[in-house]
Formats: sequence, structure tokens, C-alpha cells
Amino acid sequence: AQTVTQSQPEMSVQEAETVTLSCTYDTSESDYYLFWYKQPPSRQMILVIRQEAYKQQNATENRFSVNFQKAAKSFSLKISDSQLGDAAMYFCAYRSRFQGAQKLVFGQGTRLTINP
Amino acid sequence: SQTIHQWPATLVQPVGSPLSLECTVEGTSNPNLYWYRQAAGRGLQLLFYSVGIGQISSEVPQNLSASRPQDRQFILSSKKLLLSDSGFYLCAWRTLGLSYEQYFGPGTRLTVT
Repeated sequence: AQTVTQSQPEMSVQEAETVTLSCTYDTSESDYYLFWYKQPPSRQMILVIRQEAYKQQNATENRFSVNFQKAAKSFSLKISDSQLGDAAMYFCAYRSRFQGAQKLVFGQGTRLTINP
Repeated sequence: SQTIHQWPATLVQPVGSPLSLECTVEGTSNPNLYWYRQAAGRGLQLLFYSVGIGQISSEVPQNLSASRPQDRQFILSSKKLLLSDSGFYLCAWRTLGLSYEQYFGPGTRLTVT
């Protein structure tokens, strides 16, 4: 079974600075998807960014980018120019590309605080 | 555009009482639907998913059940709630195709007293 580990329960960063959130995963599959979700105080899960394992190029969405290291099974999220609205819980998630697989496997989350 | 609704937003129920949480999706057809539970300070755990009307798969055996009476409606139920059923319940959807991400509803906070 696949597992996702986020080793940083909490992180903080000064507004306008850059922060990197770590995520590692364990799988025997070669083809899969990885995601970062954001959960603000409202608690609704919001998709931030996704990465297909077969793509070598790291995904980027505006101020959010990932560092995908497939061999190391590492998938970190970098937030540039941090804003107060980025404060939230961030969850890393894995999904098999296998046709019958359905669930997202989530890490335990990292709480990100933005200091003004 | 697609929209997902959940109600109620908050619910406080005594132990042993029944439960019914509803999720509806708008703007899409034949979505895959999911129920997740999030315990306090934890990640999400998949409870049930459905690929079509009347088709329910359970990921974790427990005190809960799910039903899908209509294409875009997904219901989470219990006949008798336990204290351990407390948590934040999230419904999610996904359309078939190349996109594998799931989109989540606003959630229901359930407290069993």
C-alpha cells in the first residue's frame, strides 16, 4: 500500500519570503499522480498543484511550484512571495494511475503560518 | 462550471442517533463521488466511493453506510452514531477522463455527544 509522509507538522515564514514544504511517499508503482491541497480555516480542500509522475518537468502554478524527485520519492512544494492568504494546512496526496484505483492517499499535513 | 454542495454544515448529534449527510454536484454528469473523513489534526481517510447510481464501494468497514440514489447525489448515513464518528466529513467528485484530481465540497463538521 502507498503511504505519504509530511515530516513538518508546522512551518512559518515571513510575508513575501519563500517557503518549501516537504513530502515523501512510498510506492512500488511507476505511474501515478501527486497533488498538493490547501485547507484554509474554512476547511474546504483546494487543489493547489498536480504532478504526473511520467513528466520530468516540475509543475508550476503562479507562485506555487514543485520539486519532484521520482527516484528519491520526494515531492516538495515551494511557495514564493508568501502572502497572508497562503496561511493554511497543506496536504500532499498520492493517486495511482491504475484504472481501478480511486482513492487519494493523504499525508498528515503541514500547518503553514505567515508572519506579517 | 461545476459546484459541489454539502449539508448540513455543522451537526451535533447524541450517541445512538441516526445520521444523514447529503452531497450534491452540479454542472457535471456521471461523476465519481467520494466520502472522506478527517479526524482532528489529521489527514483525510477515504470512506466510500461510487462510480455510478447504486454502486458503492467501502474502503473502511465501520458504522457508516453510503448510498447514491441519483447521478449527482451521494448520501452518508448511520443507524446509530458512535462517539468515534465525530469528525469533519468531506464529499468530493471527479469526472472521468485524463484528469485525476478530486474536487472537494465545503464539508460537514459532525460532533457526537
